Amino acid sequence: QVQLQESGPGLVKPSETLSLTCTVSGDSINNYYWTWIRQPPGKGLEWIGYIYYSGFTNYNPSLKSRVTISIDTSKNQFSLKLSSVTAADTAVYYCARGISRTDNWFDPWGQGTLVTVSS
Amino acid sequence: DIVMTQSPDSLAVSLGERATINCKSSQSVLYSSNNNNYLAWYQQKPGQPPKLLIYWASTRKSGVPDRFSGSGSGTDFTLTISSLQAEDVAVYYCQQYYSTPLTFGGGTKVEIK
Repeated sequence: QVQLQESGPGLVKPSETLSLTCTVSGDSINNYYWTWIRQPPGKGLEWIGYIYYSGFTNYNPSLKSRVTISIDTSKNQFSLKLSSVTAADTAVYYCARGISRTDNWFDPWGQGTLVTVSS
Repeated sequence: DIVMTQSPDSLAVSLGERATINCKSSQSVLYSSNNNNYLAWYQQKPGQPPKLLIYWASTRKSGVPDRFSGSGSGTDFTLTISSLQAEDVAVYYCQQYYSTPLTFGGGTKVEIK
């Protein structure tokens, strides 16, 4: 079955750019809506945005000025860049699969990776 | 943005008893052209990612025990665990996918009494 795995630095300095990659195995990335979601420690879930294999993206307006999601179909990977980070961006970052543009629930999810913003 | 409000924040239920979690959206997530409610439920156990339980407000994902059920329409929804088991201790989240930005409720923590 499809599995997702996040990777990237666990510590980022304030004002720098957070970069994460999600590797998809068990299915082609050439379908579905590939999504990033984050969860600050002890808090709820926030949708960051998604990308379709064609490159179409949709971002949360609250983060839109700082977010870029890209996709590499040859590697079955998609990536997140979040610029100008602050301590408020400290969170577990999850990648997930959205079914379609309208049927946009998330299944499955990666295990998540904790990113701490600190000097 | 559609704001999702869950209640209660937490609840403690005896083993074998019913647990009921509510989710209210700030605007309807019912799409009139297909009569579908664009709402999903997830379960998150400590140290794990959320797992999909239910979509279209009441369609159980394959493999999810039938003690989990979803109901409601429009703006008011309920997740019911008919007979709580020890492995159901978790935080439960609702999510609307009617419009972007996609949004989640704040979560309801279910514990054993």
